[in-house]
Amino acid sequence: KAGVTQTPRYLIKTRGQQVTLSCSPISGHRSVSWYQQTPGQGLQFLFEYFSETQRNKGNFPGRFSGRQFSNSRSEMNVSTLELGDSALYLCASSLADEQYFGPGTRLTVT
Amino acid sequence: AQKVTQAQTEISVVEKEDVTLDCVYETRDTTYYLFWYKQPPSGELVFLIRRNSFDEQNEISGRYSWNFQKSTSSFNFTITASQVVDSAVYFCAPRTGSARQLTFGSGTQLTVLP
Repeated sequence: KAGVTQTPRYLIKTRGQQVTLSCSPISGHRSVSWYQQTPGQGLQFLFEYFSETQRNKGNFPGRFSGRQFSNSRSEMNVSTLELGDSALYLCASSLADEQYFGPGTRLTVT
Repeated sequence: AQKVTQAQTEISVVEKEDVTLDCVYETRDTTYYLFWYKQPPSGELVFLIRRNSFDEQNEISGRYSWNFQKSTSSFNFTITASQVVDSAVYFCAPRTGSARQLTFGSGTQLTVLP
């Protein structure tokens, strides 16, 4: 069974731009969660989607948004990028209790 | 409020030694799950184990074993006969309630030397 896939793997953007990251969960998994990992703040929860509905949201500004499609694929968007948004963005899918993570998207904002 | 602490920032051992990673989870919740994840240099978080708060039975799976003591809020993870491939950052991550949200500890960098 294929694992969680994330695209793109690496991304370089300029401050003020916006970016969209994509996540395809493991087949049959309906829950998708997003996390941000930075050296300073560690791993922090962004949001979770289940059946196209946002079920939970972390403490991030409104510039961070997401959505989930009927096939459970999810996207997250960051608008008006700031230097501090440089991070590894990890997506996780789950069927029951365990979350399985993708390889992440490394975003660099210059 | 809940708090997860991984006091060990870095651990270095020689191959074949046993190593224990500590995690303390303080919460007023009576029902929760505790997870351990491993993050090798490639960056992908790899699920290792899950325990429920109502099950304090210690278990062993291959070279991995864990010791959960609810009275002291400790959830320790042991790797027996460590190998160089075990080198990674290990995260303890509790979860409460029905939400999928994980709260990660700061992680412990484990280096296994040949």
